[in-house]
Amino acid sequence: DIVLTQSPVILSLSPGERATLSCRASQSISNYLAWYLHKPGQAPRLLIYDASNRATGIPARFSGSGSGTDFTLTISALEPEDFAVYYCQQRSHWPLTFGGGTKVEIK
Amino acid sequence: EVQLLESGGDLVQPGGSLRLSCAASGFIFSTYAMSWVRHAPGKGLKWVSAISASGDDTYYADSVKGRFIISRDNSRNTLYLQMNSLRDEDTAIYYCAPGKIFDYWGQGTLVTVSS
Repeated sequence: DIVLTQSPVILSLSPGERATLSCRASQSISNYLAWYLHKPGQAPRLLIYDASNRATGIPARFSGSGSGTDFTLTISALEPEDFAVYYCQQRSHWPLTFGGGTKVEIK
Repeated sequence: EVQLLESGGDLVQPGGSLRLSCAASGFIFSTYAMSWVRHAPGKGLKWVSAISASGDDTYYADSVKGRFIISRDNSRNTLYLQMNSLRDEDTAIYYCAPGKIFDYWGQGTLVTVSS
């Protein structure tokens, strides 16, 4: 199974700051990586698919990059609604897998 | 508008069974693979199972293989998850989602496994 390792586990930042989240795959997954935002009591929301494509309605402050085994989600300037847990997910190989998550919290 | 309505979640004892359903609308159900994803309390998201558009191919996470069965009825636009030999660690909100990139989610259905 492909293991996705996200870092850091917790990221403490202030509104307006830049957030950089990492996701590393245990083997190459080409660009078949997605990023999700998950808030308590809500369904997850797709942010980025195929490593760098923003999903419909996602603001431009969210961007994704990477290929192979190393991927990054960048939030250029944090808004109050961005404080949540972020997950990466690969669709390159069965079984599909998610990373363990990065919690972005208010500093 | 895509709508996914999960149902069937309940409180069940360890070793028990439960059948989840997901009623889909707003897209051509029979042309999409479908997945179940769960979120256990205090844990991360976990993909559970998927089924091809035709229903011919099924996939499972190791933790549920041999205990859960995914199926679909394309005439009813409905996805199912038969959950047997339930364990405490299966306690979670279960979501259904189309495809392998999850851009649509239902509200989820809560499964609680506890004695």
